[in-house]
Amino acid sequence: DTAVSQTPKYLVTQMGNDKSIKCEQNLGHDTMYWYKQDSKKFLKIMFSYNNKELIINETVPNRFSPKSPDKAHLNLHINSLELGDSAVYFCASSHGVGAEAFFGQGTRLTVV
Amino acid sequence: TQLLEQSPQFLSIQEGENLTVYCNSSSVFSSLQWYRQEPGEGPVLLVTVVTGGEVKKLKRLTFQFGDARKDSSLHITAAQPGDTGLYLCARTPTNTGNQFYFGTGTSLTVIP
Repeated sequence: DTAVSQTPKYLVTQMGNDKSIKCEQNLGHDTMYWYKQDSKKFLKIMFSYNNKELIINETVPNRFSPKSPDKAHLNLHINSLELGDSAVYFCASSHGVGAEAFFGQGTRLTVV
Repeated sequence: TQLLEQSPQFLSIQEGENLTVYCNSSSVFSSLQWYRQEPGEGPVLLVTVVTGGEVKKLKRLTFQFGDARKDSSLHITAAQPGDTGLYLCARTPTNTGNQFYFGTGTSLTVIP
């Protein structure tokens, strides 16, 4: 069983569209994350969320919004997609302070 | 922003050579992790270091945490093509902020 799974793996869409990326973890972790990896391979935190608190990186446009229907899911919704949103988006989860982060395989988003 | 500078950014070596990758910050880490990311996959944890001056070995990989807990190094002995990948250091979540902050990355290519 895949520990952290995200769908779709590839997403090609036009500018201005709204899209969602889904993430599920079956590890029982209490914290989930979304990261954006740009063309230079820099992995930048976008959000972290547990059942108590949402922490938003201040540089993330408000067109991006995380939605968590339950503890095992953290989906990423993006409104009005822009060319600069093209990147690989990774979902991850962890349990406790200083613990290991488990990553999904990534979603390569291409905005045309 | 938690800036972790890694050097070198790119490294291409022949099989059998040794190499060292560095991770530096102006801040003190409570603990630091090293991850390896292969193409098309998410990062996978290699090691966690916690104590200043700590040295951990993972087969041909040696990880060292600086005495002041502001820097770390990864040394690979007799590199093999299977070591090819993106190496990322990461500051682990602390009590005050539960996010992983990743370094700028070192892309390693080992040529057979």
